[in-house]
Amino acid sequence: AQTVTQSQPEMSVQEAETVTLSCTYDTSENNYYLFWYKQPPSRQMILVIRQEAYKQQNATENRFSVNFQKAAKSFSLKISDSQLGDTAMYFCAPSDSWGKLQFGAGTQVVVTP
Amino acid sequence: GAVVSQHPSRVICKSGTSVKIECRSLDFQATTMFWYRQFPKKSLMLMATSNEGSKATYEQGVEKDKFLINHASLTLSTLTVTSAHPEDSSFYICSAPNGAGGPFRNEQFFGPGTRLTVL
Repeated sequence: AQTVTQSQPEMSVQEAETVTLSCTYDTSENNYYLFWYKQPPSRQMILVIRQEAYKQQNATENRFSVNFQKAAKSFSLKISDSQLGDTAMYFCAPSDSWGKLQFGAGTQVVVTP
Repeated sequence: GAVVSQHPSRVICKSGTSVKIECRSLDFQATTMFWYRQFPKKSLMLMATSNEGSKATYEQGVEKDKFLINHASLTLSTLTVTSAHPEDSSFYICSAPNGAGGPFRNEQFFGPGTRLTVL
């Protein structure tokens, strides 16, 4: 079983600034993947970024990047040059080899002008 | 990317009636689909794994007789909330894995969700 901790219920950031969301997890899996999903007010879940646990190189996707520390079981998300459209709930979610996701409690990101 | 649809997007029903929610993968096949429940301002809670051609696998604490899941084809899974009561009111979301192969074959594509209100 996996447990996921997102310790920041809400983060506020100004446009063009940077914000970092924390995530720690616990897993007994050897082969797993890590995802960040965002859920805007429409409630549609949208993939932000993904990471293969066996790869040491941190994933990047445009303004989004992760800091993956496997030994520490930490998977933080950095949003650079924040935009108003980034306002959403962000969920950290490790996946087991069967594709089953375990979601953290989420962090509400509010981008202000 | 792959598209997953859900129908209906919202439904209101009377207590004691049954409600069926459909989840379809529109441009890919999915032998497995997942059903989640989400309360307001809360995280997604996995309810069950829907398996094409076999019984669904339910998470601990989820009543399988209450939440019937049928995965009749490679593109359709249905969740039926039987004898619904107000406490079943929630937002229900389905997802299907990529399945396209490669290291992220298990990346999930999510439906837009169904808001169920039981009066």
